[in-house]
Amino acid sequence: DAKTTQPNSMESNEEEPVHLPCNHSTISGTDYIHWYRQLPSQGPEYVIHGLTSNVNNRMASLAIAEDRKSSTLILHRATLRDAAVYYCILRGGTYTGANSKLTFGKGITLSVRP
Amino acid sequence: DTGVSQDPRHKITKRGQNVTFRCDPISEHNRLYWYRQTLGQGPEFLTYFQNEAQLEKSRLLSDRFSAERPKGSFSTLEIQRTEQGDSAMYLCASSFEEAGGPSRSYNEQFFGPGTRLTVL
Repeated sequence: DAKTTQPNSMESNEEEPVHLPCNHSTISGTDYIHWYRQLPSQGPEYVIHGLTSNVNNRMASLAIAEDRKSSTLILHRATLRDAAVYYCILRGGTYTGANSKLTFGKGITLSVRP
Repeated sequence: DTGVSQDPRHKITKRGQNVTFRCDPISEHNRLYWYRQTLGQGPEFLTYFQNEAQLEKSRLLSDRFSAERPKGSFSTLEIQRTEQGDSAMYLCASSFEEAGGPSRSYNEQFFGPGTRLTVL
């Protein structure tokens, strides 16, 4: 499986934008970039995913570098409820069983200061 | 609540005992996954089902672990002769997947709250 690299932790201030980086230099052409987050004492939850173009949804934006070797999850206005571990995950685009599972790393722990 | 549910939420057992966990996925979801998470680590994949068929098992799933999804709805994960190293959070997730072409993106997985197992 292609690997991702994320900083261990990041701090932000409430109501300010947060940019969470992820490096995936060995990404293949058909790998999708997925982000999940895990709030304290909860299971992970889906945030966003993309292939080549930048993506927006109600939770966040995903900015993908032109060479696809890195991406950035953007939370436009951090709230205290956004404090969580954020996981950047590559999922193979070839629709096979091997790509069905999620392969999590350690993720990045986001702390939000009031 | 129509999300993924897991039962029990917490289980404390003594080494050598057998334990069984249950997962109820979102009703229309055909795929069900089990993951294990230890403190400070991300979840690790254990196994998954497409309807009632178990399609993949991780090498982490030793012979003491068995999972079933008999009617393609709820699933159970049993651990026999528990060891202290089995202490972890056991997470269940579900998704709906249709067959697709090579460039089809997988749908999101919805996770339950997990069952925290402590083996004394």
